[in-house]
Amino acid sequence: DPKIIQKPKYLVAVTGSEKILICEQYLGHNAMYWYRQSAKKPLEFMFSYSYQKLMDNQTASSRFQPQSSKKNHLDLQITALKPDDSATYFCASSQDTMISGNTLYFGEGSRLIVV
Amino acid sequence: GDSVTQTEGQVTVSESKSLIINCTYSATSIGYPNLFWYVRYPGEGLQLLLKVITAGQKGSSRGFEATYNKEATSFHLQKASVQESDSAVYYCALSDLSSGSWQLIFGSGTQLTVMP
Repeated sequence: DPKIIQKPKYLVAVTGSEKILICEQYLGHNAMYWYRQSAKKPLEFMFSYSYQKLMDNQTASSRFQPQSSKKNHLDLQITALKPDDSATYFCASSQDTMISGNTLYFGEGSRLIVV
Repeated sequence: GDSVTQTEGQVTVSESKSLIINCTYSATSIGYPNLFWYVRYPGEGLQLLLKVITAGQKGSSRGFEATYNKEATSFHLQKASVQESDSAVYYCALSDLSSGSWQLIFGSGTQLTVMP
């Protein structure tokens, strides 16, 4: 059974609309992350959370807002969608953010297409 | 900033042949970064293949090996005899504390296709 659940797996959205990507982890981890992979680009770090608090933010746009209602949840709200937001968004978790050798465990990704 | 370079976007190898996937890195922190290989099989999420956190050490998993070479700043992935089931996308990655937390920086990935 998958330990990190991402919903939806595929999503088509209209430019200007708002969507929420869901992520739940059942690994008992304290840290969660969002990464993005656009076409022909490496995975890019977006956010890290530890104990439901924002630790690091590498996303320039305020249109991307993580939401953590529980320690094992980290959803990603994206507003005013643009075609450039089309990508696969990966959620990940780890035991903690400040441990050397920190291993991240990833979900299967949510593929977003903005038309 | 930190970066990871994988020069081959696609590699095709015949079954039972040897494999090398190249990875070099650049890290700005004072200490040495942690190095990882992640793999993504078709239809699945990324999963850790192996990691090495000490320079000079070798990691191994599922027949794959990678040695942390701090002089060459390399972490090449090798396997002596590949199988069709090894077909996947392989990502080299590093983490260090340069940003204040151990965030992972990924290479662009190498698509491995193993021909029967």
